[in-house]
Amino acid sequence: EIVMTQSPATLSVSPGERATLSCRASQSVSNKLAWYQQKPGQAPRLLIHGASVRATGIPARFSASGSGTEFTLTISSLQPEDFALYFCQQYNHWYTFGQGTKLEIK
Amino acid sequence: EVQLSESGGGLEQPGGSLRLSCAASGFIFSTYAMNWVRQAPGKGLEWVSCISDSGGHTYYADSVKGRFTISRDNSKNTLFLQMNSLRADDTAIYYCAKDRWTRDAFDVWGQGTVVTVSS
Repeated sequence: EIVMTQSPATLSVSPGERATLSCRASQSVSNKLAWYQQKPGQAPRLLIHGASVRATGIPARFSASGSGTEFTLTISSLQPEDFALYFCQQYNHWYTFGQGTKLEIK
Repeated sequence: EVQLSESGGGLEQPGGSLRLSCAASGFIFSTYAMNWVRQAPGKGLEWVSCISDSGGHTYYADSVKGRFTISRDNSKNTLFLQMNSLRADDTAIYYCAKDRWTRDAFDVWGQGTVVTVSS
């Protein structure tokens, strides 16, 4: 099983600033990497697929990069609605998720 | 509008069974693989099972293999998860999720249905 490790577990950032979230795979997943946002009481929402492609309707302040085993999600100029839980997922060999990064208001 | 809506969750005793359903609308259900993903209280996401667009191929996480069965009825745009021999660690919110493309990210999720396994 491919293990996905996200860091940090919690990230405190002020509105308007930039947030950078990391995700590492235990072995190469090529570009088969997705990012999801989850708010309390809601289902996850797809933000990014193919490691760097924004899903339909996702604002341009969300960007992502990486390949192989190291991936990054960047949110520029944080908006109040961006404070949430973020998961990465690999789909190169079945599907596994990271444990999540909680993005909280500083 | 593309939508998924789960039902069938509830409280069940250890060793019991439940059948979850997921009603799909707004897309051509029969052309997409579908998945079940669960989230235990306060925990992360765990992929549970996947079924191909035709229903001819099914796949399971090791944690549920031999106990859960995924199926679909393309004539009724509905996905199912039959859960047998339930255990306390099956307690979770169960989401159905649509593949964006074959073996791809999950681009549409339902709102989830809560399964609690407890005596």
